[in-house]
Amino acid sequence: AQKITQTQPGMFVQEKEAVTLDCTYDTSDPSYGLFWYKQPSSGEMIFLIYQGSYDQQNATEGRYSLNFQKARKSANLVISASQLGDSAMYFCAMRELGYSGNTPLVFGKGTRLSVIA
Amino acid sequence: KAGVTQTPRYLIKTRGQQVTLSCSPISGHRSVSWYQQTPGQGLQFLFEYFSETQRNKGNFPGRFSGRQFSNSRSEMNVSTLELGDSALYLCASSQAGQGADTQYFGPGTRLTVL
Repeated sequence: AQKITQTQPGMFVQEKEAVTLDCTYDTSDPSYGLFWYKQPSSGEMIFLIYQGSYDQQNATEGRYSLNFQKARKSANLVISASQLGDSAMYFCAMRELGYSGNTPLVFGKGTRLSVIA
Repeated sequence: KAGVTQTPRYLIKTRGQQVTLSCSPISGHRSVSWYQQTPGQGLQFLFEYFSETQRNKGNFPGRFSGRQFSNSRSEMNVSTLELGDSALYLCASSQAGQGADTQYFGPGTRLTVL
């Protein structure tokens, strides 16, 4: 069964610094997708970035990039030049794409990021 | 394009009552998924609807049910509410709900059961 592990319950980062949020996953399906979402205190989940298991390059979206290490089954989110507005919960999620085309997203427990001025 | 909307945003009910939550997906999206988020259990998948059919179901009791209408709007119903049903209920929509399709979430409905 697919599983997502986020080992950092909380992290602090200085404004303008870069920060890496860890995510490891487990699946026996060779085809899968990895997603990162941000959840501010308002509650809405905001999609940040996607990485497919067969993508040759690491995904990037503005200040967000994904450090994808397939052999280690890790998909760490890197936020560059942190801003105060980045303070939020961050969730890593995965969906298996191969054996069954429409498996639901499975989420990790999340990491609470606090950006300090 | 308007985002996913959920109504109501906040709800207070008492044990034994039932509740209906509503979700309007992004225009053109045909898949709607529901999730329950609690501090203890995190985000848990409830069910997914596509073209008015339930396509996937999570491990929740039968008190939790849902449906989808022809315009892709979806409702979920919880009957005989229990204290443990207090949670943030999130709805997400996507075009087809498969593969690399990205799910876009609404602001959630915060349900408190007293």
